[in-house]
Amino acid sequence: ILNVEQSPQSLHVQEGDSTNFTCSFPSSNFYALHWYRWETAKSPEALFVMTLNGDEKKKGRISATLNTKEGYSYLYIKGSQPEDSATYLCASFNKFYFGSGTKLNVKP
Amino acid sequence: GAGVSQSPSNKVTEKGKDVELRCDPISGHTALYWYRQSLGQGLEFLIYFQGNSAPDKSGLPSDRFSAERTGGSVSTLTIQRTQQEDSAVYLCASSLGGGAGSPLHFGNGTRLTVT
Repeated sequence: ILNVEQSPQSLHVQEGDSTNFTCSFPSSNFYALHWYRWETAKSPEALFVMTLNGDEKKKGRISATLNTKEGYSYLYIKGSQPEDSATYLCASFNKFYFGSGTKLNVKP
Repeated sequence: GAGVSQSPSNKVTEKGKDVELRCDPISGHTALYWYRQSLGQGLEFLIYFQGNSAPDKSGLPSDRFSAERTGGSVSTLTIQRTQQEDSAVYLCASSLGGGAGSPLHFGNGTRLTVT
């Protein structure tokens, strides 16, 4: 993996569904992995900053895990709500590169 | 408290003109980043300032792009002889300390349209 890659590119779920996305990043020279939520007409907002292999972070219904050895992080949303609709970005901070994001649409 | 402030929020310019975009970071934040998002693309890293260290300019797409940060605070991104492909949303972010463990705080961006 030379760049930060996110999948899927977009996701449509029904209210109440649980969902998850993947962020893959170069595992060499790892410093930190960031997750951001970017709502339409707003600026990106930090969700999690993760630095240690095996890290798990949680904020309300959203949680994230980190595997630095294999170079991936998962973001989970439990019981999706329409207000969760946004683009979710991850960034690897050995170099300031962001993935292209996963655009989540939660239908009421 | 005050967040990251960017101005102008929108800028329309003619091809070939120079433009300056301004960023006021959060007070006390030593790290400042510029990114841009072209239509349909992700966030593209442009430049990074950390304290008094030499900036990391590795993301600047051409020598028409330059940035400075005066007094460790306000930053200006200058694009000379603008081209249509420069049209994008330019985002500035700052962070406390600049280490990889510090979250970025983003401004609302400047939408640049080159006609």
